[in-house]
Amino acid sequence: GDSVTQMEGPVTLSEEAFLTINCTYTATGYPSLFWYVQYPGEGLQLLLKATKADDKGSNKGFEATYRKETTSFHLEKGSVQVSDSAVYFCALGNPGNNRKLIWGLGTSLAVNP
Amino acid sequence: DGGITQSPKYLFRKEGQNVTLSCEQNLNHDAMYWYRQDPGQGLRLIYYSQIVNDFQKGDIAEGYSVSREKKESFPLTVTSAQKNPTAFYLCASESREGAWSNQPQHFGDGTRLSIL
Repeated sequence: GDSVTQMEGPVTLSEEAFLTINCTYTATGYPSLFWYVQYPGEGLQLLLKATKADDKGSNKGFEATYRKETTSFHLEKGSVQVSDSAVYFCALGNPGNNRKLIWGLGTSLAVNP
Repeated sequence: DGGITQSPKYLFRKEGQNVTLSCEQNLNHDAMYWYRQDPGQGLRLIYYSQIVNDFQKGDIAEGYSVSREKKESFPLTVTSAQKNPTAFYLCASESREGAWSNQPQHFGDGTRLSIL
């Protein structure tokens, strides 16, 4: 079945450092890929998405490119801020899964001033 | 403002007790979901509903029950059969309009359930 694998955390960075959180997937057909973010004590919110190969999703300085050849959707940000400290989830949606999302385990990010 | 409201924020359950977690949305979304979040285990799907008066089991439905009598509401009952209920519970909703891949899931702020 479909699956999502994220790099394990926690990730600790200094402010203004470059961020990469790796996400790879296995899926049949043509899935869509998502990054969600969960701030402390809150629910999740959509950060960005890509619906087909070579699409780049972007939001709030974060970017991720849907790479079908490497089955990856890595999250990047050029300069992180303390306010980016959160848990980041990669997710996959496949029409064959009846709209259920397949979730990665989440990667915790802590940014120090 | 439109959104999803989960209540209570914190809930305590005694042994042998059933408790119900509330989830209400005013986004006019057809689909609603319940997830359980445990440290290091990501989100696991408990139940989901794609339309009023219909719902399906997710990956970990044992010990839980739901109802969907109204479009706006999708309460989750944690029964005494759920032996390890301590977790963070998240409710989400999703629009069914248009291409599904363009519709994100919207989440509430969660309910943290603990055992007394």
